[in-house]
Amino acid sequence: DAGVTQSPTHLIKTRGQQVTLRCSPKSGHDTVSWYQQALGQGPQFIFQYYEEEERQRGNFPDRFSGHQFPNYSSELNVNALLLGDSALYLCASRSGPQGGSTEAFFGQGTRLTVV
Amino acid sequence: QKEVEQDPGPLSVPEGAIVSLNCTYSNSAFQYFMWYRQYSRKGPELLMYTYSSGNKEDGRFTAQVDKSSKYISLFIRDSQPSDSATYLCAMRVGNAGNMLTFGGGTRLMVKP
Repeated sequence: DAGVTQSPTHLIKTRGQQVTLRCSPKSGHDTVSWYQQALGQGPQFIFQYYEEEERQRGNFPDRFSGHQFPNYSSELNVNALLLGDSALYLCASRSGPQGGSTEAFFGQGTRLTVV
Repeated sequence: QKEVEQDPGPLSVPEGAIVSLNCTYSNSAFQYFMWYRQYSRKGPELLMYTYSSGNKEDGRFTAQVDKSSKYISLFIRDSQPSDSATYLCAMRVGNAGNMLTFGGGTRLMVKP
Protein backbone atom coordinates (compact mmCIF):
# COMPACT_ATOMS: atom_id res chain seq x y z
CA ASP A 1 0.00 0.00 0.00
CA ALA A 2 1.56 3.27 -1.15
CA GLY A 3 -0.25 5.37 1.45
CA VAL A 4 -1.06 8.96 0.53
CA THR A 5 0.96 10.16 -2.44
CA GLN A 6 1.42 13.74 -3.56
CA SER A 7 2.95 15.28 -6.64
CA PRO A 8 5.08 17.10 -7.39
CA THR A 9 7.46 17.02 -4.44
CA HIS A 10 8.83 20.51 -5.06
CA LEU A 11 7.65 23.39 -7.19
CA ILE A 12 8.89 26.91 -7.89
CA LYS A 13 6.44 29.43 -9.32
CA THR A 14 6.44 33.15 -10.01
CA ARG A 15 4.10 35.62 -8.35
CA GLY A 16 0.81 35.86 -10.19
CA GLN A 17 1.03 32.39 -11.71
CA GLN A 18 -1.32 29.50 -11.07
CA VAL A 19 -0.41 26.10 -9.64
CA THR A 20 -2.05 22.68 -9.40
CA LEU A 21 -1.05 20.14 -6.77
CA ARG A 22 -2.18 16.52 -6.81
CA CYS A 23 -3.03 13.92 -4.19
CA SER A 24 -3.89 10.23 -4.31
CA PRO A 25 -5.45 8.98 -1.07
CA LYS A 26 -4.57 5.77 0.71
CA SER A 27 -6.32 2.73 -0.72
CA GLY A 28 -9.82 2.42 0.74
CA HIS A 29 -10.05 6.09 1.72
CA ASP A 30 -12.64 8.35 0.13
CA THR A 31 -12.16 11.67 1.92
CA VAL A 32 -9.30 14.06 1.23
CA SER A 33 -8.28 17.15 3.19
CA TRP A 34 -5.69 19.74 2.25
CA TYR A 35 -3.51 21.68 4.69
CA GLN A 36 -1.00 24.50 4.30
CA GLN A 37 2.06 24.45 6.55
CA ALA A 38 4.21 27.57 6.58
CA LEU A 39 7.81 27.20 7.71
CA GLY A 40 8.00 26.73 11.47
CA GLN A 41 4.21 26.62 11.84
CA GLY A 42 1.59 23.94 12.29
CA PRO A 43 -0.61 22.89 9.36
CA GLN A 44 -3.70 25.00 8.63
CA PHE A 45 -6.84 23.45 7.18
CA ILE A 46 -7.72 24.58 3.66
CA PHE A 47 -10.68 22.33 2.70
CA GLN A 48 -12.02 18.81 2.65
CA TYR A 49 -13.51 16.84 -0.26
CA TYR A 50 -15.91 13.93 -0.10
CA GLU A 51 -18.09 12.53 -2.87
CA GLU A 52 -16.51 15.04 -5.27
CA GLU A 53 -17.83 18.00 -3.27
CA GLU A 54 -16.16 20.50 -0.98
CA ARG A 55 -17.57 19.65 2.46
CA GLN A 56 -15.76 22.07 4.71
CA ARG A 57 -13.50 25.04 4.17
CA GLY A 58 -11.00 26.84 6.36
CA ASN A 59 -10.15 30.52 6.35
CA PHE A 60 -8.57 30.69 2.91
CA PRO A 61 -9.47 33.03 0.03
CA ASP A 62 -11.24 31.95 -3.14
CA ARG A 63 -7.87 31.82 -4.90
CA PHE A 64 -7.64 28.38 -3.34
CA SER A 65 -9.90 25.87 -5.04
CA GLY A 66 -10.02 22.14 -5.36
CA HIS A 67 -11.49 19.17 -7.06
CA GLN A 68 -12.06 15.51 -6.29
CA PHE A 69 -12.29 12.88 -8.99
CA PRO A 70 -14.43 9.71 -9.05
CA ASN A 71 -11.37 7.65 -8.06
CA TYR A 72 -11.12 9.84 -4.89
CA SER A 73 -7.90 11.56 -5.97
CA SER A 74 -7.84 15.31 -5.53
CA GLU A 75 -6.28 18.50 -6.84
CA LEU A 76 -5.56 21.78 -5.11
CA ASN A 77 -5.42 24.84 -7.34
CA VAL A 78 -4.04 28.20 -6.30
CA ASN A 79 -4.50 31.23 -8.57
CA ALA A 80 -2.69 34.57 -8.58
CA LEU A 81 0.13 33.26 -6.41
CA LEU A 82 1.51 35.50 -3.68
CA LEU A 83 4.87 35.26 -1.96
CA GLY A 84 2.96 34.33 1.21
CA ASP A 85 1.64 31.19 -0.48
CA SER A 86 5.10 29.65 -0.16
CA ALA A 87 4.60 26.65 2.12
CA LEU A 88 4.41 22.88 2.40
CA TYR A 89 1.02 21.71 1.15
CA LEU A 90 -0.15 18.52 2.79
CA CYS A 91 -2.86 16.12 1.78
CA ALA A 92 -4.51 13.80 4.31
CA SER A 93 -6.97 11.02 3.66
CA ARG A 94 -9.50 9.12 5.76
CA SER A 95 -12.49 6.88 5.37
CA GLY A 96 -15.64 8.99 5.51
CA PRO A 97 -15.83 12.70 6.42
CA GLN A 98 -17.37 12.21 9.85
CA GLY A 99 -17.32 9.86 12.76
CA GLY A 100 -14.67 8.80 15.17
CA SER A 101 -11.85 8.21 12.73
CA THR A 102 -9.23 10.79 12.07
CA GLU A 103 -6.59 11.84 9.57
CA ALA A 104 -4.10 9.12 10.32
CA PHE A 105 -2.37 9.36 6.98
CA PHE A 106 -0.68 12.39 5.50
CA GLY A 107 1.30 12.57 2.31
CA GLN A 108 4.89 13.79 2.26
CA GLY A 109 3.70 17.16 1.00
CA THR A 110 4.46 19.44 -1.91
CA ARG A 111 6.86 22.27 -1.13
CA LEU A 112 5.78 25.32 -3.10
CA THR A 113 8.12 28.28 -3.41
CA VAL A 114 6.76 31.50 -4.92
CA VAL A 115 9.42 33.92 -6.16
CA GLN B 1 -4.47 34.53 20.46
CA LYS B 2 -4.28 31.19 18.68
CA GLU B 3 -6.83 28.48 19.45
CA VAL B 4 -4.07 25.97 20.18
CA GLU B 5 -0.80 27.03 21.77
CA GLN B 6 2.34 24.95 21.83
CA ASP B 7 5.85 25.86 23.02
CA PRO B 8 8.02 25.86 19.87
CA GLY B 9 11.15 24.70 21.68
CA PRO B 10 13.63 23.47 20.71
CA LEU B 11 13.63 21.01 23.58
CA SER B 12 16.94 19.22 23.99
CA VAL B 13 17.20 16.13 26.22
CA PRO B 14 19.73 13.32 26.72
CA GLU B 15 18.96 9.83 25.46
CA GLY B 16 16.85 7.86 27.94
CA ALA B 17 15.15 10.94 29.43
CA ILE B 18 11.41 11.29 29.91
CA VAL B 19 10.04 13.98 27.63
CA SER B 20 6.94 16.01 28.35
CA LEU B 21 5.25 17.92 25.52
CA ASN B 22 2.24 20.10 26.12
CA CYS B 23 -0.51 22.08 24.44
CA THR B 24 -3.15 24.43 25.74
CA TYR B 25 -6.31 25.36 23.91
CA SER B 26 -9.14 27.83 24.21
CA ASN B 27 -12.06 26.16 22.39
CA SER B 28 -14.01 24.04 24.88
CA ALA B 29 -15.82 22.33 21.97
CA PHE B 30 -12.73 20.28 21.08
CA GLN B 31 -13.40 16.62 21.80
CA TYR B 32 -10.80 14.71 19.80
CA PHE B 33 -7.11 15.15 20.52
CA MET B 34 -4.16 13.93 18.51
CA TRP B 35 -0.38 13.98 18.57
CA TYR B 36 1.60 13.81 15.36
CA ARG B 37 5.31 13.41 14.79
CA GLN B 38 6.87 15.16 11.82
CA TYR B 39 10.38 14.50 10.63
CA SER B 40 12.14 17.13 8.56
CA ARG B 41 10.75 17.36 5.03
CA LYS B 42 8.10 14.72 5.73
CA GLY B 43 4.36 14.71 6.36
CA PRO B 44 2.95 14.33 9.89
CA GLU B 45 2.59 10.81 11.27
CA LEU B 46 -0.18 10.05 13.76
CA LEU B 47 1.16 8.89 17.14
CA MET B 48 -1.77 9.07 19.54
CA TYR B 49 -5.49 9.70 19.18
CA THR B 50 -7.74 10.21 22.19
CA TYR B 51 -11.34 11.15 22.72
CA SER B 52 -12.37 13.41 25.59
CA SER B 53 -10.46 13.33 28.88
CA GLY B 54 -8.18 10.69 30.34
CA ASN B 55 -4.98 8.85 29.59
CA LYS B 56 -3.94 6.59 26.75
CA GLU B 57 -0.74 4.57 26.58
CA ASP B 58 0.97 3.02 23.57
CA GLY B 59 4.43 1.62 24.12
CA ARG B 60 6.75 4.43 25.20
CA PHE B 61 4.09 7.08 24.55
CA THR B 62 1.39 8.29 26.94
CA ALA B 63 -1.19 10.92 26.03
CA GLN B 64 -3.13 12.82 28.69
CA VAL B 65 -6.13 15.08 28.21
CA ASP B 66 -7.44 17.41 30.91
CA LYS B 67 -10.49 19.11 29.44
CA SER B 68 -11.22 21.05 32.63
CA SER B 69 -7.86 22.81 32.28
CA LYS B 70 -7.89 22.75 28.44
CA TYR B 71 -4.48 21.10 28.53
CA ILE B 72 -3.08 18.05 26.79
CA SER B 73 0.26 16.32 27.18
CA LEU B 74 2.38 13.72 25.47
CA PHE B 75 4.99 11.84 27.49
CA ILE B 76 7.80 9.91 25.85
CA ARG B 77 9.64 7.43 28.05
CA ASP B 78 13.20 6.23 27.40
CA SER B 79 13.63 8.78 24.64
CA GLN B 80 15.79 7.78 21.67
CA PRO B 81 17.72 9.86 19.11
CA SER B 82 15.20 8.58 16.55
CA ASP B 83 12.52 10.50 18.48
CA SER B 84 14.14 13.76 17.36
CA ALA B 85 11.43 15.45 15.34
CA THR B 86 8.74 18.12 15.56
CA TYR B 87 5.71 17.09 17.60
CA LEU B 88 2.37 18.60 16.66
CA CYS B 89 -0.77 18.51 18.75
CA ALA B 90 -4.06 18.68 16.89
CA MET B 91 -7.69 18.87 17.92
CA ARG B 92 -11.12 18.82 16.44
CA VAL B 93 -14.71 19.30 17.42
CA GLY B 94 -17.02 16.28 17.30
CA ASN B 95 -18.66 14.70 14.29
CA ALA B 96 -20.06 17.94 12.96
CA GLY B 97 -16.66 19.51 12.51
CA ASN B 98 -13.88 17.62 10.89
CA MET B 99 -11.10 20.08 10.33
CA LEU B 100 -8.05 19.58 12.50
CA THR B 101 -6.69 22.59 14.38
CA PHE B 102 -2.97 22.21 14.96
CA GLY B 103 -0.58 23.76 17.40
CA GLY B 104 2.60 25.28 16.05
CA GLY B 105 4.72 22.26 16.93
CA THR B 106 7.55 21.61 19.39
CA ARG B 107 10.96 20.67 18.05
CA LEU B 108 12.54 17.88 20.10
CA MET B 109 16.21 16.89 19.97
CA VAL B 110 17.34 13.75 21.79
CA LYS B 111 21.12 13.66 22.13
CA PRO B 112 23.00 10.33 22.29
